[in-house]
Amino acid sequence: GENVEQHPSTLSVQEGDSAVIKCTYSDSASNYFPWYKQELGKRPQLIIDIRSNVGEKKDQRIAVTLNKTAKHFSLHITETQPEDSAVYFCAAGKIQGAQKLVFGQGTRLTINP
Amino acid sequence: NAGVTQTPKFQVLKTGQSMTLQCAQDMNHNSMYWYRQDPGMGLRLIYYSASEGTTDKGEVPNGYNVSRLNKREFSLRLESAAPSQTSVYFCASSESGLSYEQYFGPGTRLTVT
Repeated sequence: GENVEQHPSTLSVQEGDSAVIKCTYSDSASNYFPWYKQELGKRPQLIIDIRSNVGEKKDQRIAVTLNKTAKHFSLHITETQPEDSAVYFCAAGKIQGAQKLVFGQGTRLTINP
Repeated sequence: NAGVTQTPKFQVLKTGQSMTLQCAQDMNHNSMYWYRQDPGMGLRLIYYSASEGTTDKGEVPNGYNVSRLNKREFSLRLESAAPSQTSVYFCASSESGLSYEQYFGPGTRLTVT
């Protein structure tokens, strides 16, 4: 089955700097790679996703890149702000009606003012 | 719209007791999911239902049963609770098409003593 590894487990950056979180996956058949943000005590919420036919996707300060050959994908957050502090989860899976996702272990991002 | 709702919010059980976690969505989504979230382990899929009338096992189904009661409701049952089932449980729903976003409920914090 699919296995997703996420690094680092914790990340601390200065406000205004960039943050990068990396994930690797094992199943070459996976074709859908979402990123979820979870604030303390809240539910996870989708922030960006990418499908395997695309190499990069941007949404304002957030971007995701996918390298299918190496089976890894990354989340990039630029110009970080205090409200970016949260736990971020990557996931991988196949789109086939329902999405049976396997999540990474999470990265706790702290933005220092 | 309420989105995805879960009951109860908190529950304490003794080892061996049974209970059912309830989940409902009002977005007319076909697919529904149950996850558990443990510290440092991300979200793990317990069971999912691609459409009304179907259910399938996820990564960690042992000790759980599910029922897709109708299109709106998907319940998770613990027949004989064990301390290892202490966790936060999230229900989610999604629809295929332009977006594959999974919408999560607020979670149920379950403690088994």
